[in-house]
Amino acid sequence: AQSVTQLDSHVSVSEGTPVLLRCNYSSSYSPSLFWYVQHPNKGLQLLLKYTSAATLVKGINGFEAEFKKSETSFHLTKPSAHMSDAAEYFCVVSGGFQKLVFGTGTRLLVSP
Amino acid sequence: DSGVTQTPKHLITATGQRVTLRCSPRSGDLSVYWYQQSLDQGLQFLIQYYNGEERAKGNILERFSAQQFPDLHSELNLSSLELGDSALYFCASSGAGLESNEQFFGPGTRLTVL
Repeated sequence: AQSVTQLDSHVSVSEGTPVLLRCNYSSSYSPSLFWYVQHPNKGLQLLLKYTSAATLVKGINGFEAEFKKSETSFHLTKPSAHMSDAAEYFCVVSGGFQKLVFGTGTRLLVSP
Repeated sequence: DSGVTQTPKHLITATGQRVTLRCSPRSGDLSVYWYQQSLDQGLQFLIQYYNGEERAKGNILERFSAQQFPDLHSELNLSSLELGDSALYFCASSGAGLESNEQFFGPGTRLTVL
């Protein structure tokens, strides 16, 4: 079965500093991996996806993630945090029949 | 705006009652998925429909059921409601091909059971 583990429940950064949200995955076959963001009282928005093409994936709003098979990781990064990045971030793996398996989420806090 | 619509936005009801949540997928999408987001369980997949047929089941209770209609909209029916059913229910849709796995989420329906 596919699963993801988000290693931090909360991450706090200052505006303008780099962001790193960590995710490890478990999959019995080559996975499709995603990062979704959820702003307060809003729905889920796709940030980026990996589907076995380039291992470095660029997404919206300056986010990117690198697929590392040897480490079974798919960490999300951004060079410089903005106040508007404060939200809940979910690492997601695609399970059978395209159903999505969500991690427990990482709340990103950005201070001025 | 993802193109997926859900109604109602909020629903407040009492234990033992039955409610229906409605979802309209993006134009052209054949797959509809339902997810539940609660504080204790996180985000969980409930059920998937593809072009009117049930495709996959997740952690969906027997008190819950869903269907997808010929016009591709979907309804999630929750019956004999319990306090623990209070959650945010999301609908998502994905593209025409079975291989398409990028899902677009609606804004959700927040269900409160009192």
